[in-house]
Amino acid sequence: ETGVTQSPTHLIKTRGQQVTLRCSSQSGHNTVSWYQQALGQGPQFIFQYYREEENGRGNFPPRFSGLQFPNYSSELNVNALELDDSALYLCASSLTRQGEGEQYFGPGTRLTVT
Amino acid sequence: AQSVSQHNHHVILSEAASLELGCNYSYGGTVNLFWYVQYPGQHLQLLLKYFSGDPLVKGIKGFEAEFIKSKFSFNLRKPSVQWSDTAEYFCAVNARGGATNKLIFGTGTLLAVQP
Repeated sequence: ETGVTQSPTHLIKTRGQQVTLRCSSQSGHNTVSWYQQALGQGPQFIFQYYREEENGRGNFPPRFSGLQFPNYSSELNVNALELDDSALYLCASSLTRQGEGEQYFGPGTRLTVT
Repeated sequence: AQSVSQHNHHVILSEAASLELGCNYSYGGTVNLFWYVQYPGQHLQLLLKYFSGDPLVKGIKGFEAEFIKSKFSFNLRKPSVQWSDTAEYFCAVNARGGATNKLIFGTGTLLAVQP
């Protein structure tokens, strides 16, 4: 069984640029959630995708957007990067979009904005 | 506002000592509760979970947690820690029966076990 994978591992961007992060779900999982983990903090929910539709969003501005593809892989896009966007971005997949679904996390992408 | 509080940010223990990590939550509804662990250089992984039933739940590697509804708490325990338990531990909640499985995490507790 293949776990959740994310790419790239690390990324350095300049303020104002745009970035795309990628996630491959665990086999058979139709739900993907994205989290932002700032240094010294717990992960914060950005949004969830279920069968290619956004299915819930946290307190993040519209410049954070996402996509889910028919194979359930996903992208997180961030426009107009700000210094505070520097964080570890985690992707998690699950078999169900609801609260009882166990989420499997990927290793994360470390984004640094300078 | 929905939130999770973890009282201990850093804990240092010697091997064989007992462990208890505190977790309190604030949530306007019925919750599912989780403890996640992140070992150095590894993915965040589920340690244990509580959905309903017996409030004392057992997880992997000898960990257990007790849900006390009246105290809005879900403390993590282990009778005797090992050096390999060195990791960061996160308490999390989500809405039972909610439309999403959005998790709200605490800020984490960094545990260092000295051999």
